[in-house]
Amino acid sequence: GAVVSQHPSRVICKSGTSVKIECRSLDFQATTMFWYRQFPKQSLMLMATSNEGSKATYEQGVEKDKFLINHASLTLSTLTVTSAHPEDSSFYICSATGGPGYEQYFGPGTRLTVT
Amino acid sequence: AQSVTQLGSHVSVSEGALVLLRCNYSSSVPPYLFWYVQYPNQGLQLLLKYTTGATLVKGINGFEAEFKKSETSFHLTKPSAHMSDAAEYFCAVSEGNFNKFYFGSGTKLNVKP
Repeated sequence: GAVVSQHPSRVICKSGTSVKIECRSLDFQATTMFWYRQFPKQSLMLMATSNEGSKATYEQGVEKDKFLINHASLTLSTLTVTSAHPEDSSFYICSATGGPGYEQYFGPGTRLTVT
Repeated sequence: AQSVTQLGSHVSVSEGALVLLRCNYSSSVPPYLFWYVQYPNQGLQLLLKYTTGATLVKGINGFEAEFKKSETSFHLTKPSAHMSDAAEYFCAVSEGNFNKFYFGSGTKLNVKP
């Protein structure tokens, strides 16, 4: 089956620094990748949709300058949390799909802790 | 617009008892419906999905769900709970093309010995 990986699985950073999270589709070409955020004991909230080679589409209320998304290739999307603050601490999950009509496959998630 | 409601943020059953996790959705187009399971600090694992065809779908680990259009429901069941079923379960709906998933708030299942 299709596999999506995320790196790192856990990261701790200091307030004010930036951190990059990678999402890779290992055995298929992902024309579209999605980034979700999950707060403790809550559901997944879609942050943005990224299509390979174009700018990401952000959901309402998500700061695009704070959460930079790059989808430079058909197998890699990155989420960079810029000038991180403790309130950015969360579980970030990506998913990938081969395109409209193709199923989404979810990555294992990245736990970000900002101190 | 799509939305998902999961009744009961916590459900507790005894080992061997029936598991019933409720999910109701709203959708302006024929929905694709999913159930995912999440173990602590892990990503989502697909249990089962409904796209078209048979309304009773069987998934992994003995789970099944029935799409009832008239009730806009997609409840998840398992005849006999196992300790390893203790986890959080999310119902999700998409717009019929696997894009833009909308998740319910999740139900944490506790299985008592």
